[in-house]
Amino acid sequence: QVQLQESGPGLVKPSEPLSLTCAVSGGSVSRGRNYWTWVRQPPGKGLEWIGHITNDGTIRSNSSLQTRVTISVDTSKNLFSLTMTSVTAADTAVYFCARGVESLATVTFYFDLWGQGTRVTVS
Amino acid sequence: SYVLTQPPSVSVAPGQTARITCGGNIIGSKGVHWYQQRPGQAPVLVVYDNDDRPSGIPERFSGSNAGNTATLTISRVEAGDEADYYCQVWDSPTDHRVFGGGTKVTVL
Repeated sequence: QVQLQESGPGLVKPSEPLSLTCAVSGGSVSRGRNYWTWVRQPPGKGLEWIGHITNDGTIRSNSSLQTRVTISVDTSKNLFSLTMTSVTAADTAVYFCARGVESLATVTFYFDLWGQGTRVTVS
Repeated sequence: SYVLTQPPSVSVAPGQTARITCGGNIIGSKGVHWYQQRPGQAPVLVVYDNDDRPSGIPERFSGSNAGNTATLTISRVEAGDEADYYCQVWDSPTDHRVFGGGTKVTVL
């Protein structure tokens, strides 16, 4: 079955860029109508949607982060990536990648598959 | 942007029923999805489209949605249900995916 696995540095210095990748196994990032998504969770807090990319290159991101976030997909390596610039301590969080899917029944979107998460500390 | 409001915590005795609410403006007009997150683990989808369950999720988990409140109901609560639960919707005007603040379910 499809699995997602995040990777990236556990420690990033303030003001430097944060780069994470999500490897997709057991399926293809370029097949189907999926929304390859990043979600984060600061320590002791709730989930925050960061943004997604589809296999046709459509990108949406949280307006609160939009100017600092880039999401891309590499179909040759079957992975997608997140880059966040000008990080501060407030960006310290566990970062999850997830697969978003569209529900035609309710015309909405949800996340049916998640990676295990990778912890990033900005310090 | 659209705001989802959940109670911070719910406590329930084993074998009883837990109800977790998710409030939002006319949320009944939206599709609501629920995730369970055990400590140190990734979220898991437990209910989608208000009241559907993914395969492998026990029938004890059910959902409803009307008016300004969506509800996740866990029947016959077990110790393993102790976790944080998040509701989520799609906010069409902004095309954002929005999560509620989460509810910690404690099994007494």
